[in-house]
Amino acid sequence: AQSVTQLDSQVPVFEEAPVELRCNYSSSVSVYLFWYVQYPNQGLQLLLKYLSGSTLVKGINGFEAEFNKSQTSFHLRKPSVHISDTAEYFCAVSVTQGAQKLVFGQGTRLTINP
Amino acid sequence: EPEVTQTPSHQVTQMGQEVILRCVPISNHLYFYWYRQILGQKVEFLVSFYNNEISEKSEIFDDQFSVERPDGSNFTLKIRSTKLEDSAMYFCASSVPSGRGNEQFFGPGTRLTVL
Repeated sequence: AQSVTQLDSQVPVFEEAPVELRCNYSSSVSVYLFWYVQYPNQGLQLLLKYLSGSTLVKGINGFEAEFNKSQTSFHLRKPSVHISDTAEYFCAVSVTQGAQKLVFGQGTRLTINP
Repeated sequence: EPEVTQTPSHQVTQMGQEVILRCVPISNHLYFYWYRQILGQKVEFLVSFYNNEISEKSEIFDDQFSVERPDGSNFTLKIRSTKLEDSAMYFCASSVPSGRGNEQFFGPGTRLTVL
């Protein structure tokens, strides 16, 4: 079975500061890795995904994530955040075969202060 | 841009009543999913549906739950006899199989409140 741990439930940062949201996963088989964002009163939107190849993945809205197999991590980063980045961020994994259900972490609430 | 839609946005029901949550996936998608999120907890997988049958389900998805694709556009989740612990946000998602890392597109969710 797969599991995902997001180490921080809440992360407050000032506008234009850098941010890193941490994600660790556990799996005995190969997985794909995802970051989703949920803005207030909206559904989940894909930010980026890692399937294979380059370990640094770039996504929408200036976000990027780095896959580290030895540390089983997939941390999300942005060099300079904006007020509009205030949202809940979810890390997720899926196995590489079959229906590829997503297994989510607990989520990290990112709050941007002016 | 095509999107997944869900109705209603909020459903309030009495314990023991049946509810049907409705979803319209993106039209050319072939995989359909239901997830739920109890307040303050993580998003949990319930069931996936492909080729008119369940392809995978979680332990949560017991005999009280069922899914159906009654026509070419709707995908429904039925809870036969709701319990207080069924109160949650229910998300529908759909994807088109690409063979590698299917991106699942999520609807805005239905908030179910069981009294």
